[in-house]
Amino acid sequence: DTAVSQTPKYLVTQMGNDKSIKCEQNLGHDTMYWYKQDSKKFLKIMFSYNNKELIINETVPNRFSPKSPDKAHLNLHINSLELGDSAVYFCASSPRGGTGSDTQYFGPGTRLTVL
Amino acid sequence: GDSVTQMEGPVTLSEEAFLTINCTYTATGYPSLFWYVQYPGEGLQLLLKATKADDKGSNKGFEATYRKETTSFHLEKGSVQVSDSAVYFCALRRRGGADGLTFGKGTHLIIQP
Repeated sequence: DTAVSQTPKYLVTQMGNDKSIKCEQNLGHDTMYWYKQDSKKFLKIMFSYNNKELIINETVPNRFSPKSPDKAHLNLHINSLELGDSAVYFCASSPRGGTGSDTQYFGPGTRLTVL
Repeated sequence: GDSVTQMEGPVTLSEEAFLTINCTYTATGYPSLFWYVQYPGEGLQLLLKATKADDKGSNKGFEATYRKETTSFHLEKGSVQVSDSAVYFCALRRRGGADGLTFGKGTHLIIQP
């Protein structure tokens, strides 16, 4: 009955590969997010998405693309992986996208290591 | 753009000491403010939040007050425990839109018995 779940928990891959990280929320929330946490623990928003709009942080390379098969899922697909993509990626969700006060609920994270 | 500045650690305290972690922000309008905690090897959990000026958020003995005049949201706890050892993140979110949280760089708190 985990609220926000991610798979896999750990992902080790070679440079140049394409990989996906899956995220599912069972909270009935409308908006989902992806964050990147670097080696210094700094967290930065990558995408936010609801059924009406996708907001992309302008610093995110276009090798990263979110894909949402339905409201409960927001997967992160990464093409041509680079060493600098190594990080922990967190998925999150919130009830409504248009209210700044809504709490965001985070998944456990996926540690991606690119060799 | 929006930004959050918080004291960088690590901050090391003895058990039962008083804790303050400073957080200041820059944002247009009146954002909502949050403190999240990340325990080792885990994801982020909401600790407390405040959505308008002078609101006080509180949870598990932690408190923070939204101070518009000083653009601050300092985290305090009267008596820390070893189990409070974690990384604490101050964050803001603007009203409206579906944009995400803007985080500070996190403060690593270490409580020694």
